[in-house]
Amino acid sequence: AQTVTQSQPEMSVQEAETVTLSCTYDTSESDYYLFWYKQPPSRQMILVIRQEAYKQQNATENRFSVNFQKAAKSFSLKISDSQLGDAAMYFCASLYGGATNKLIFGTGTLLAVQP
Amino acid sequence: NAGVTQTPKFRVLKTGQSMTLLCAQDMNHEYMYWYRQDPGMGLRLIHYSVGEGTTAKGEVPDGYNVSRLKKQNFLLGLESAAPSQTSVYFCASRPTSNTQYFGPGTRLTVL
Repeated sequence: AQTVTQSQPEMSVQEAETVTLSCTYDTSESDYYLFWYKQPPSRQMILVIRQEAYKQQNATENRFSVNFQKAAKSFSLKISDSQLGDAAMYFCASLYGGATNKLIFGTGTLLAVQP
Repeated sequence: NAGVTQTPKFRVLKTGQSMTLLCAQDMNHEYMYWYRQDPGMGLRLIHYSVGEGTTAKGEVPDGYNVSRLKKQNFLLGLESAAPSQTSVYFCASRPTSNTQYFGPGTRLTVL
């Protein structure tokens, strides 16, 4: 079974500082993808970053980067220079099912940004 | 280009009533998905479709039916609503790449 675990229900960071959100996953697939989605109070699910498992290099999108440890099945999200607008629920997700492309989500980490 | 839209945004039902949630996408995506989100949980897949005229069950399909008569629309039906179906429902679609794009969600309350 595919599982995604986020062990930090809540995190807090000071504005302009760096925070890391943890995620571990378990999959039997050899080719898979991992995602971080952001869900602000508006409820909209916004893609933050994605990582292809076959790529060694960690994905980066502006202030967001991941630490992908394939052997450990770990996929953490680092947010640098945190901004007030980063406050949201963050979900880690793993893609499975080949062509059918089904996502399994973690339970989320609620990030608060302190001014 | 509106992306993925969902109708309605909010709905309150009484137990036993029926309703249909509409998801529409204008991006010509083949694949569409319905998820539900409950407090303290991530999104869980209800049903999905890999193309017009096709549907398949996800993780939590019981109590729901879906139809994909047109490529751009994916309908989620509740024939006899139960309080356990109180949730926020998200639709998503994707092109041939592996990234799913989500709609804004529908908050459904079943009394």
